Amino acid sequence: AQSVTQLGSHVSVSEGALVLLRCNYSSSVPPYLFWYVQYPNQGLQLLLKYTTGATLVKGINGFEAEFKKSETSFHLTKPSAHMSDAAEYFCAVSAFGNEKLTFGTGTRLTIIP
Amino acid sequence: ETGVTQSPTHLIKTRGQQVTLRCSSQSGHNTVSWYQQALGQGPQFIFQYYREEENGRGNFPPRFSGLQFPNYSSELNVNALELDDSALYLCASSLVGSSYNEQFFGPGTRLTVL
Repeated sequence: AQSVTQLGSHVSVSEGALVLLRCNYSSSVPPYLFWYVQYPNQGLQLLLKYTTGATLVKGINGFEAEFKKSETSFHLTKPSAHMSDAAEYFCAVSAFGNEKLTFGTGTRLTIIP
Repeated sequence: ETGVTQSPTHLIKTRGQQVTLRCSSQSGHNTVSWYQQALGQGPQFIFQYYREEENGRGNFPPRFSGLQFPNYSSELNVNALELDDSALYLCASSLVGSSYNEQFFGPGTRLTVL
């Protein structure tokens, strides 16, 4: 079974500051890990994914995440926040590529001008 | 390449009624998954269809049912609607058999049950 914990349901950062959204997972098998972004009244857009191989994963819009097996973490970062980054972010895990996705409860990111 | 589309965008029903939500897969995809996203929550897996057969189900009662058609489009049916069924329903399509089966999400159908 898989589960995801996202620490911090709301995160606020100043424009230009570092964005750090935390995700810890639990999985009985090697996980596939994902970060999705959801803008108001829209569906989910994939930011980045980890399947196998390199543990530092780069995604769209300047985001990246690092898979740390020893810490069971997959935190999302962006060096410099932009106003357009304000959205809801979801971390998700699956056992295999096409298996069901198990999502965390989400983190709402607010950017302060 | 056409993305995942869902209809209708919004829907209002009353308790006890039945509802059908529709999803058109991204071109070339053969698998459809449905998720329920309650307000302020992450999406919850309802079920997945592959080759017109249910291929995995989450913790949802039998009044949630689905269909997948030969063109890989899909329907989600919910009978005997309850107030707690009010949510955003998301459809995602993917291609089984590719090296990595990324799921592509549609914009969702927002269902309100009164």
